[in-house]
Amino acid sequence: EVVLTQSPGTLSLSPGERATLSCRASQSVGSSYFAWYQQKPGQAPRLLIFDASSRATGIPDRFSGGGSGTDFTLTISRLEPEDFAVYYCQQYGNSPWTFGQGTKVEIK
Amino acid sequence: QVQLVQSGAEVKKPGASVTVSCKASGYTFTNYFMHWVRQAPGQGLEWTGIINPSVGGTSYAQKFQGRVTMTSDTSTSTVYMEMSNLTSEDTAVYYCARQSQLLYDAFDIWGQGTMVTVSS
Repeated sequence: EVVLTQSPGTLSLSPGERATLSCRASQSVGSSYFAWYQQKPGQAPRLLIFDASSRATGIPDRFSGGGSGTDFTLTISRLEPEDFAVYYCQQYGNSPWTFGQGTKVEIK
Repeated sequence: QVQLVQSGAEVKKPGASVTVSCKASGYTFTNYFMHWVRQAPGQGLEWTGIINPSVGGTSYAQKFQGRVTMTSDTSTSTVYMEMSNLTSEDTAVYYCARQSQLLYDAFDIWGQGTMVTVSS
């Protein structure tokens, strides 16, 4: 099973600042089969990024993904008030599908 | 629009079984796989299993083998997840989530979630 470790656990930032979230896999994720999801309290997760760097439909371009192999990042270029949430990484190149433990982006 | 609508909250006693449904609309039901993912209170996301609704083929996470059953009904575009022998550790929100039939793809649409509480 591919274990995903996200860092940091919590990111305290102000609106307008840049956020960089990291996710490290315990083994290589084939061909960048990697996604990022956003989850707000009481809501289902929402797909932001797939295939490591492709934005899902309707996702603003302030969200970008990068990385390959075992190290992946999600960058939010300028935080908007609605971006404060929990973010999960996921790999889907190896069964079982696995998720990271989440990074909470909170208002400083 | 494309949506997945799940059944309502459930309260069960330890040892009981629960069935959660997920009704799809707005797309061709048999053209997509469906996953189930659960989230214990205050915790992260845990993959439970996958079903191919068109043929009923399934694959389950090892920890749930023998205790979970996923089925589909193409006439109503609905998938079901049954979990048996419940314990308090199964208390969680259960989500269905859609995946395209590409061999490798992310989960692009999620249901609203179903809270399952296991308590004596």
